[in-house]
Amino acid sequence: DTGVSQDPRHKITKRGQNVTFRCDPISEHNRLYWYRQTLGQGPEFLTYFQNEAQLEKSRLLSDRFSAERPKGSFSTLEIQRTEQGDSAMYLCASSLALGINYGYTFGSGTRLTVV
Amino acid sequence: QKEVEQNSGPLSVPEGAIASLNCTYSDRVSQSFFWYRQYSGKSPELIMSIYSNGDKEDGRFTAQLNKASQYVSLLIRDSQPSDSATYLCAVQRGGGGNKLTFGTGTQLKVEL
Repeated sequence: DTGVSQDPRHKITKRGQNVTFRCDPISEHNRLYWYRQTLGQGPEFLTYFQNEAQLEKSRLLSDRFSAERPKGSFSTLEIQRTEQGDSAMYLCASSLALGINYGYTFGSGTRLTVV
Repeated sequence: QKEVEQNSGPLSVPEGAIASLNCTYSDRVSQSFFWYRQYSGKSPELIMSIYSNGDKEDGRFTAQLNKASQYVSLLIRDSQPSDSATYLCAVQRGGGGNKLTFGTGTQLKVEL
């Protein structure tokens, strides 16, 4: 396992369509995070899972967004009825739940363009 | 006031010089601090972490933390053109599942 894997790398969709992204974390990691990054900004936290439980969601995560992590392995992030403002890079990261945060490694990201 | 503030730059330094990147944070209970490097169109890459006041060195990189002043910095010695990127400061509060809050990043340009 060489790192966090995200699929697809790029997605172009028409406004109003639904999209789903997948993240495969480093296999032994029990925490998984989703962030969103727009041009000129730092990544913004969206949500995180510990194993299969979604423990925190940002207020940024409207009800059009839903994330799952069935069986505590891979995760999916779905955006329903996409809007142009959803255009961004969606980043996934994973880590072990330890007393000290050693930082985490991001996947390559999924760049979403809503036209 | 933003939780994590960075000067957006660009910061231009000549090749071989020391680049100094700064970050301030607002939450006094923050415990862990990170610097990420991000090349255009790529995802952020972790380069340094620091948890205690003082300096931490790793190769050409030195992170500095002053919790009393709520200030974190990154020094890059012998800057190379390949160091040209955006540098993101990230801060973690205690608890909270290791969630990170990022600054907007400082663009560094190392000129030949």
